[in-house]
Amino acid sequence: SQQGEEDPQALSIQEGENATMNCSYKTSINNLQWYRQNSGRGLVHLILIRSNEREKHSGRLRVTLDTSKKSSSLLITASRAADTASYFCATDPYRDDKIIFGKGTRLHILP
Amino acid sequence: EPEVTQTPSHQVTQMGQEVILRCVPISNHLYFYWYRQILGQKVEFLVSFYNNEISEKSEIFDDQFSVERPDGSNFTLKIRSTKLEDSAMYFCASLKDEWTGTIYFGEGSWLTVV
Repeated sequence: SQQGEEDPQALSIQEGENATMNCSYKTSINNLQWYRQNSGRGLVHLILIRSNEREKHSGRLRVTLDTSKKSSSLLITASRAADTASYFCATDPYRDDKIIFGKGTRLHILP
Repeated sequence: EPEVTQTPSHQVTQMGQEVILRCVPISNHLYFYWYRQILGQKVEFLVSFYNNEISEKSEIFDDQFSVERPDGSNFTLKIRSTKLEDSAMYFCASLKDEWTGTIYFGEGSWLTVV
């Protein structure tokens, strides 16, 4: 089954605005992680939120998790040009040691 | 900060040739993974490795693929006879333990099969 489907698929905002990306998944999870990928580069881990957590912050990042709706959101506040990248959520299905990625949201910060 | 390192960063190979992609996971990690990403597509799970054996593999990971941890530090992915459709970015990743949860990825190896 597919896990971690993000929306929107693409998002363009002005520098300084907040960017919100959403992720939905299908099965029970242990945790959910968000990654960033600059074009042609590796996957950079941003934040992990466990299934018993509802919200987590890291710098300008805020992640929420609603296990009843099987959804998560990533908020980037005060966006910068350097935030331009693809953002992926990845879920760790219960009783499984691998993570499964969604298709990602391509975020473009306009100067 | 410790990181996963991968070599080569880019490899071009003829169809039918064997390719070995190398990875050095983070030193105290116990779980190791290979993922791949075809250009413009999602990151796909290939295989997980724990306690010196494959713990899970996807449908993509057929008999042409193999993994090995030949010593205490390296983790390799071998593709025996490459096909055009094997062209992708291959990511190695590692996880310290199942309680930590955070999986760290390398920068990837671009494989182009011509």
